[in-house]
Amino acid sequence: EVQLVASGGGLAQPGGSLRLSCKASGFTLSSYWMSWVRQAPGKGLEWVASIKQDGSEKHYVDSVKGRFTISRDNTQNSLYLQMNSLRDEDTAVYHCARVMENNGRPGNWGQGTLVTVSS
Amino acid sequence: DIQMTQSPSTLSASIGDRVTITCRASQSISRWLAWYQQKPGKAPNVLIYLASSLESGVPSRFSGSGSGTEFTLTISSLQPDDFATYYCQHYDSYPLTFGQGTRLEIK
Repeated sequence: EVQLVASGGGLAQPGGSLRLSCKASGFTLSSYWMSWVRQAPGKGLEWVASIKQDGSEKHYVDSVKGRFTISRDNTQNSLYLQMNSLRDEDTAVYHCARVMENNGRPGNWGQGTLVTVSS
Repeated sequence: DIQMTQSPSTLSASIGDRVTITCRASQSISRWLAWYQQKPGKAPNVLIYLASSLESGVPSRFSGSGSGTEFTLTISSLQPDDFATYYCQHYDSYPLTFGQGTRLEIK
């Protein structure tokens, strides 16, 4: 069974940092692009970042460029999101998601971890 | 960036109704479009990819159509489990973007 379990969320102050992790199981992580997608409370879905199978290519939404870094460790079956210079508007549930094909076809999502940025 | 616009934002319907949700892209995305269903407190699930391909395990009452800039998601006969929020998302190019969502509620 495919599982994606995100962790690392919590309360952070504006300007602070958090590192999210996503543990993958039930499939070979190294075969897939992976993404982070967030959802602010009561709001819609927003794509945050994606990373290629070997980590050689990364893409970010403009609002997080220079502040967030997506990475992966295929040997640990894990995906990460380092979030620096956090802002109030980064408050959201962050989901990790598998990309099924290199053309970007979306796949399984994890349940997500809540990040709250507040003083 | 490609903007995705869904309509309606809210849809009231009854069990057994046929419903259609529309998604428009601000420029052509060929058929690089997916539809999701999300229930409260849960992660979204993919229903349709490549505009009209049904994801494995998704009931056949769900169907998708369209290409270019105009797309539709149709539920042929609403079931109680279908009341949820639906999103479209393009994957033509980065940045990936979603529609604002359509909340399907019981009339």
